[in-house]
Amino acid sequence: EADIYQTPRYLVIGTGKKITLECSQTMGHDKMYWYQQDPGMELHLIHYSYGVNSTEKGDLSSESTVSRIRTEHFPLTLESARPSHTSQYLCASTPDGNYGYTFGSGTRLTVV
Amino acid sequence: RKEVEQDPGPFNVPEGATVAFNCTYSNSASQSFFWYRQDCRKEPKLLMSVYSSGNEDGRFTAQLNRASQYISLLIRDSKLSDSATYLCVVNNVNQGGKLIFGQGTELSVKP
Repeated sequence: EADIYQTPRYLVIGTGKKITLECSQTMGHDKMYWYQQDPGMELHLIHYSYGVNSTEKGDLSSESTVSRIRTEHFPLTLESARPSHTSQYLCASTPDGNYGYTFGSGTRLTVV
Repeated sequence: RKEVEQDPGPFNVPEGATVAFNCTYSNSASQSFFWYRQDCRKEPKLLMSVYSSGNEDGRFTAQLNRASQYISLLIRDSKLSDSATYLCVVNNVNQGGKLIFGQGTELSVKP
């Protein structure tokens, strides 16, 4: 049973559209992360948050933005989707890095 | 140099084989170590944590050598269902404990 949920699971959208990928966790974790991963490639950290009203950019430059208004919710927004944004987006959370991360099932985004 | 480096794959092995994955990390201050498994087009899932004394979970054995900054994962009697990508993961104490993921090593177990 998943304690971290991502919606939608799959999304096909046209260029220029604004999209929000949802991520929610019920574990009360303060630390949450967004990763981008292309098929067969490594994970790239694009955003993270250590608590409410705390957001930071990750190691990979991304045109997306995030917000953290509630502990359980960490949505990612693309203001204007482009084909280069086509990828899998994975959300993760942890109470502390010493415990490892729990990942959501991911959102597979295709921009046409 | 990457902070976490793994054996380049893929590893193609027959069922029943023993396979070993190696990983090195660059930050000597790292405190926590993990192996994750990622199936094709799925999310990574924690396989096991790695402890200084080494630890075993069924057919899987993880070892840590802090002096050499080296981590290993041994899979004995490999099954078809072990086919996946294995990710070596280390926490970065200098960056708020963020986890650093290796690029992964793909394993394919054949009948």
